[in-house]
Amino acid sequence: AQSVTQLDSQVPVFEEAPVELRCNYSSSVSVYLFWYVQYPNQGLQLLLKYLSGSTLVKGINGFEAEFNKSQTSFHLRKPSVHISDTAEYFCAVNQVVGSSNTGKLIFGQGTTLQVKP
Amino acid sequence: DTEVTQTPKHLVMGMTNKKSLKCEQHMGHRAMYWYKQKAKKPPELMFVYSYEKLSINESVPSRFSPECPNSSLLNLHLHALQPEDSALYLCASSPTPSGGSSNEQFFGPGTRLTVL
Repeated sequence: AQSVTQLDSQVPVFEEAPVELRCNYSSSVSVYLFWYVQYPNQGLQLLLKYLSGSTLVKGINGFEAEFNKSQTSFHLRKPSVHISDTAEYFCAVNQVVGSSNTGKLIFGQGTTLQVKP
Repeated sequence: DTEVTQTPKHLVMGMTNKKSLKCEQHMGHRAMYWYKQKAKKPPELMFVYSYEKLSINESVPSRFSPECPNSSLLNLHLHALQPEDSALYLCASSPTPSGGSSNEQFFGPGTRLTVL
């Protein structure tokens, strides 16, 4: 079974500083990896996804992530954060359920990004 | 139309009430999902509908009853809930249910449920 580990539960950072949110996954098969963001009292919004090809993936709001197969990691980065980036961030991997050919997302526990002025 | 809508936004119900949550998408997606999310936790999958048929039930108690009347609509019927069922209920959809694809899911804003 696949699993996702987000190594930091909270990441405090000052505005305009760079940030990295760490995500490691375990899987014995090819994976599709996702980062979602959840602002307070809202649903989840896709930031970016890795399907195949280039290991550096660019997403919305200036975020990017690098897929590293040898280290089974998919860390999220932003060179300069804004107050508005304060939110909960979830890393997820797609897992096939049995023989149903139905996929389900396996989420990490989430990382709270707190951007301070 | 590229969004998933959910109604109501907030719901307060007693343990003896019967209520329903509604989810709608008009993106032509053939897979729809119900998740439950507690504060500061990731979403927990409850049900998956694939081509309007229930394909995954994650051992959810029978007091939660899903229904997919057509490819655009997904309901969650609630009956005899417990206070611990209070949570944010999220609906999502994806183009296909296939686990072999990117299976990107689009989430609605959720219904905040409080059970008294």
